[in-house]
Amino acid sequence: DTAVSQTPKYLVTQMGNDKSIKCEQNLGHDTMYWYKQDSKKFLKIMFSYNNKELIINETVPNRFSPKSPDKAHLNLHINSLELGDSAVYFCASSNLRGGWDEQFFGPGTRLTVL
Amino acid sequence: GNSVTQMEGPVTLSEEAFLTINCTYTATGYPSLFWYVQYPGEGLQLLLKATKADDKGSNKGFEATYRKETTSFHLEKGSVQVSDSAVYFCALSPGGTSYGKLTFGQGTILTVHP
Repeated sequence: DTAVSQTPKYLVTQMGNDKSIKCEQNLGHDTMYWYKQDSKKFLKIMFSYNNKELIINETVPNRFSPKSPDKAHLNLHINSLELGDSAVYFCASSNLRGGWDEQFFGPGTRLTVL
Repeated sequence: GNSVTQMEGPVTLSEEAFLTINCTYTATGYPSLFWYVQYPGEGLQLLLKATKADDKGSNKGFEATYRKETTSFHLEKGSVQVSDSAVYFCALSPGGTSYGKLTFGQGTILTVHP
């Protein structure tokens, strides 16, 4: 039973298009995240939602818009796709608590912009 | 700000060799430290963690000790296997009101040959 799932796994599209990536977690966690991994494997957080409320919003172009319809889902919509958006996007979830928190990652969505 | 620096890769070893991947960090306060592993084509998985100074995290034969005096969290394994081939990420979480924000190192690619 998949803990954090993402769809689609691969996404190939043209510059200028709009696309969405979906994420769902069945772990009962209250917090979800989006990360971007570039071609050199560098991982950087983009957004985080806690109980459907945006709590982390890094310096990301406003073409990227996250949306959390409920605690178990966090979707990422990207407008006017650019070549530099090509990357692997990972969703993750956790329960926020003091000290530390283990984040569980999805399998990733490989986005290729042509 | 917070940052994590890992040793440059890639690292190539023969089976049963000793592994060290260096990780140093910069953070205010008392962060929690993590090692995540990413197997080919998969998302990240938590390998081990340490939440306070002098804690030792261990899992699957891997170990790392939280050294506050040297701000380090080096990953070690006494005898690597081919199945350990993956990308390893050191990460920190400041805790407190950081909302679970993880800062990752750049990742170290490990290849183990039979």
